[in-house]
Amino acid sequence: SQQGEEDPQALSIQEGENATMNCSYKTSINNLQWYRQNSGRGLVHLILIRSNEREKHSGRLRVTLDTSKKSSSLLITASRAADTASYFCATKVSGSRLTFGEGTQLTVNP
Amino acid sequence: EPEVTQTPSHQVTQMGQEVILRCVPISNHLYFYWYRQILGQKVEFLVSFYNNEISEKSEIFDDQFSVERPDGSNFTLKIRSTKLEDSAMYFCASSEDGTSQETQYFGPGTRLLVL
Repeated sequence: SQQGEEDPQALSIQEGENATMNCSYKTSINNLQWYRQNSGRGLVHLILIRSNEREKHSGRLRVTLDTSKKSSSLLITASRAADTASYFCATKVSGSRLTFGEGTQLTVNP
Repeated sequence: EPEVTQTPSHQVTQMGQEVILRCVPISNHLYFYWYRQILGQKVEFLVSFYNNEISEKSEIFDDQFSVERPDGSNFTLKIRSTKLEDSAMYFCASSEDGTSQETQYFGPGTRLLVL
């Protein structure tokens, strides 16, 4: 399988609930980044977590990284309808390229 | 807040034609990138550019593609002799430097349709 795979592929929740998305990868990384993409639009950077970090917060976002399991999770607390988007993890192994996962489509119902 | 901008937002072209996609990276950034996303698929890295030369490119970035920084603000991707499978969203990105911990900031994309 490929570097950067998210699950679930799709997630539908009610406003106010928490949303958790997971990302797994295959090789050692320098960092892992999460991006959001609204339908047909650009990629918005959410958060970067370094390989020597285990957890990071930014507003309603909480990201964890487990390098022993080669996995990361993105938690969005108290979700809002405006959080509806696709969420991608992207890993940086070496050099300059980011390798993106397939993404999780999150739908937050009002 | 500074943003990466891209023009045009949409481009329709005939197979075999050449297209130039334009990007204005964030002004103090030194590294520039192109990625593409075929409809329903992953975002894929094409190329990175620093100090007026390509620093890394993927297997996708063959002789059909070229990049250029024609002046102090623009960064372009040229696709020669377009093919149907070049239809995709093309994203430009930039970062302040090329360190392994640097965030890449993406533009809104150009949707290219090859007929």
